[in-house]
Amino acid sequence: KQEVTQIPAALSVPEGENLVLNCSFTDSAIYNLQWFRQDPGKGLTSLLLIQSSQREQTSGRLNASLDKSSGRSTLYIAASQPGDSATYLCAVRRMTSGSRLTFGEGTQLTVNP
Amino acid sequence: NAGVMQNPRHLVRRRGQEARLRCSPMKGHSHVYWYRQLPEEGLKFMVYLQKENIIDESGMPKERFSAEFPKEGPSILRIQQVVRGDSAAYFCASSHAPDSTNEKLFFGSGTQLSVL
Repeated sequence: KQEVTQIPAALSVPEGENLVLNCSFTDSAIYNLQWFRQDPGKGLTSLLLIQSSQREQTSGRLNASLDKSSGRSTLYIAASQPGDSATYLCAVRRMTSGSRLTFGEGTQLTVNP
Repeated sequence: NAGVMQNPRHLVRRRGQEARLRCSPMKGHSHVYWYRQLPEEGLKFMVYLQKENIIDESGMPKERFSAEFPKEGPSILRIQQVVRGDSAAYFCASSHAPDSTNEKLFFGSGTQLSVL
């Protein structure tokens, strides 16, 4: 059974700081891993998708890495801004589970001005 | 090009009533997924549907819950005889090419169900 764990559960940083969110998963047989952002009362926005054959993906100030063999992914946010405050979720798509995603419980990020 | 549309945004039901949650996928998407987010928990997969077919319902409770995605119209998640434990945010997602390893899911804003 795939389990996805995110550390830390909550993080509060001052504006401008670089930060790293961590995600680990127990079953390395995955198709891909996605990082999402969830704002209160809203849906999920896909930030980055890393295929199992890739090591990292970048979009603007965001960089996500994937180490499939060790079951780890990190989301790096550079020069954080108050608008980055949200809950960040990672989700894996397993090879044996069709299209379903298994989510971690998220990291709640607060960036203080 | 509208995104995934869910309605209602908020739904209040008394114990024993029925709840119907609707989801219209993104234009051109024929694959719909329902997820549930209980308070203080992560999103849990419930069911995956294509038009007129249930592909994977392994995450759906065996009783009181059902889902459909008819040829015409939105996907419906139906909860009969709701109980307080059904209170949660229910999210719908859609995709275009689920067999692709590059598949992305696009999520709606969710329906917050509150059972009194």
